[in-house]
Amino acid sequence: DAGVTQSPTHLIKTRGQHVTLRCSPISGHKSVSWYQQVLGQGPQFIFQYYEKEERGRGNFPDRFSARQFPNYSSELNVNALLLGDSALYLCASRGTSGTYEQYFGPGTRLTVT
Amino acid sequence: GQNIDQPTEMTATEGAIVQINCTYQTSGFNGLFWYQQHAGEAPTFLSYNVLDGLEEKGRFSSFLSRSKGYSYLLLKELQMKDSASYLCAALTDSWGKFQFGAGTQVVVTP
Repeated sequence: DAGVTQSPTHLIKTRGQHVTLRCSPISGHKSVSWYQQVLGQGPQFIFQYYEKEERGRGNFPDRFSARQFPNYSSELNVNALLLGDSALYLCASRGTSGTYEQYFGPGTRLTVT
Repeated sequence: GQNIDQPTEMTATEGAIVQINCTYQTSGFNGLFWYQQHAGEAPTFLSYNVLDGLEEKGRFSSFLSRSKGYSYLLLKELQMKDSASYLCAALTDSWGKFQFGAGTQVVVTP
């Protein structure tokens, strides 16, 4: 079975631009979470979606938005990019069989210049 | 406030044992998770504790004391490939929201 997939792998944008990151969860997983990981720090929670509904939101500005599609894939959108948005963006999916274990995708490395 | 604290770096010799401590203070708690992350890669799941006590998985063991807000990850028979960052993460709600520590960089020397 394929794991969590994310696209693109790497991305370079300039300040003020907009970016869309994509994530496909493990087949059968209905929960998707997004995290931002700045170099040298642990992942910071951005959003969590379950059955296409937002179930949790971290302490990020409104420039960050996300959605989940009927096939449970997800997009993270960031508007008006700032230099400080440069980070590894991780998507994680989780099953619904009672376990809280979540699996991370390889991430998208975003560089804002 | 919410806090997850773990040491920044630990160094140990190949074949030795290392214990990584983690203290947490979160508004909600549904379990404590440990992840391993090699440089430039995504975190991979190692173990989790929901109840107090010790969970053993091969060379890795994890312990939790909910009353003390304390966990540790024990790595035995260290191998060079164990050199990585180890992330302590608290599950803070029933939907799957995790709060991570900054990670402990473990350096294994020959």
